[in-house]
Amino acid sequence: EVQLVQSGAEVKKPGESLKISCKGSGYRFTNYWIGWVRQMPGKGLEWMGSIYPGDSDTRYSPSFQGQVNISADKSINTAYLQWSSLKASDTAMYFCARPTVWGSQFDYWGQGALVTVSS
Amino acid sequence: QSVLTQPPSVSGAPGQRVTISCTGSSSNFGAGYDVHWYQQLPGTAPKLLIYGNNNRPSGVPDRFSGSKSGTSASLAISGLQAEDEADYYCQSYDSSLSGYVFGTGTKVTVL
Repeated sequence: EVQLVQSGAEVKKPGESLKISCKGSGYRFTNYWIGWVRQMPGKGLEWMGSIYPGDSDTRYSPSFQGQVNISADKSINTAYLQWSSLKASDTAMYFCARPTVWGSQFDYWGQGALVTVSS
Repeated sequence: QSVLTQPPSVSGAPGQRVTISCTGSSSNFGAGYDVHWYQQLPGTAPKLLIYGNNNRPSGVPDRFSGSKSGTSASLAISGLQAEDEADYYCQSYDSSLSGYVFGTGTKVTVL
C-alpha cells in the first residue's frame, strides 16, 4: 500500500528555521516525483515545487523559488521542505503529494503538516 | 495567484445536478494538458476525483464526471448527496510556468 507520512505540526517564531518531512512507503521512492503543496488558512491549494529523488532534480514554482528549499534522502525514502527564516505569512498546512509516472495528477497525498509561525 | 479560475461556490438540493467550471488558457488546457479534479473534505488532504479529463479512480462513484474543451473544463456531480459537500479543485500543468497549477477552488453546498 502506497503511503506518504508527514512529520507533525510545528509552532515556530518568525526568523526561525524549519525542515518538515514526508516519508514514502509501498512503492519505489526513487522512481516518482514528490511535490509540495501549500494551503494557507481558508485558502486554496498552491503547488510549491517538486523533486525527483532518483537524481534530486528539483523544480520550483516561480512564487516559491528562493523562499524554500526542497530536498530528498533516497536512502530513507524521505523528502523535505525547508525554510531558513520563517515569516508569519508561512503559516499554512503543507501537503506532500505523489504524481503518477505517466500523468500530472497527484494520486497519493500525505496527511498534511500544520506550520504556525507566531511571535 | 492561480491561473485556473473556478466559481467560489455552487449549491444544489439533494438529488440535483451541479457543475463546476474551470477556466484556463493557451498555456495549460489550450496546450493540450489534461485537467484533474480533487475533492477536499474539511480538515483532510485532497483526494483525486477525476484524472485525465474524464477518468475516475477506482472507488469514485460514477455520479462524478469530467470534461474538457478548448481552454475550459468542468466537473459535474449528479444525484447530489449530503456527503458531497466539500471543496473541489481543478489542476493541470502550465507550460509558461513550467509547473503544476491548481484552480481557485469551489465550495459545494448541499441545501
